[in-house]
Amino acid sequence: EIVLTQSPTTMTASPGEKVTITCRASSSVSYMHWYQQKPGASPKPWIYETSKLASGVPDRFSGSGSGTSYSLTINNMEAEDAATYYCQQWNYPWTFGGGTKLELK
Amino acid sequence: EVQLVESGGGLVQPGRSMKLSCAASGFTFSNYGMAWVRQAPTKGLEWVATISYDGSSTYYRDSVKGRFTISRDNAKSTLYLQMNSLRSEDTATYYCTRPGWYWGQGVMVTVSS
Repeated sequence: EIVLTQSPTTMTASPGEKVTITCRASSSVSYMHWYQQKPGASPKPWIYETSKLASGVPDRFSGSGSGTSYSLTINNMEAEDAATYYCQQWNYPWTFGGGTKLELK
Repeated sequence: EVQLVESGGGLVQPGRSMKLSCAASGFTFSNYGMAWVRQAPTKGLEWVATISYDGSSTYYRDSVKGRFTISRDNAKSTLYLQMNSLRSEDTATYYCTRPGWYWGQGVMVTVSS
């Protein structure tokens, strides 16, 4: 099983700040999927195939990475970006990272 | 508009069974593989099971193998999860998903005596 380790697990950011969330895989994966989840809501697809933004995702978000190291970056944090972000890989068994809770400072 | 609507959750005693359903609409259900993902209270996401578009292939996480069965009825555009020998650690919100893209609102399953 491929274990995905996200860091940090929690963080706070001020409006306008740059935010980077990392996802490290225990073995190489071809690409990474990212979700955003807010309290009481279902996860939403956010970034797919490592770097492609899902429909409606602001272009201040970006994704990058390869092999065992992937990241999600927010340029210019906004209040609406406060949420928990999860990475996911697609080799069976599918696995998710433990999540990164991003809060507004 | 794609919609996935789960039903069938609730409170169940350890060792008992429960069947979840997911009614799909807004897309050609028979063209897509489907999956169940769960989330224990205050915890992260955990993949449970996947079924191919035609039901010919199924995949399970180790902790549910032999206890859970994923199935589908393409004529009814409905996905199922039969859960037997339930344990307290199965307590979670269960989401029906079209993998990677669409999620239902989730249904809570609580396993407790």
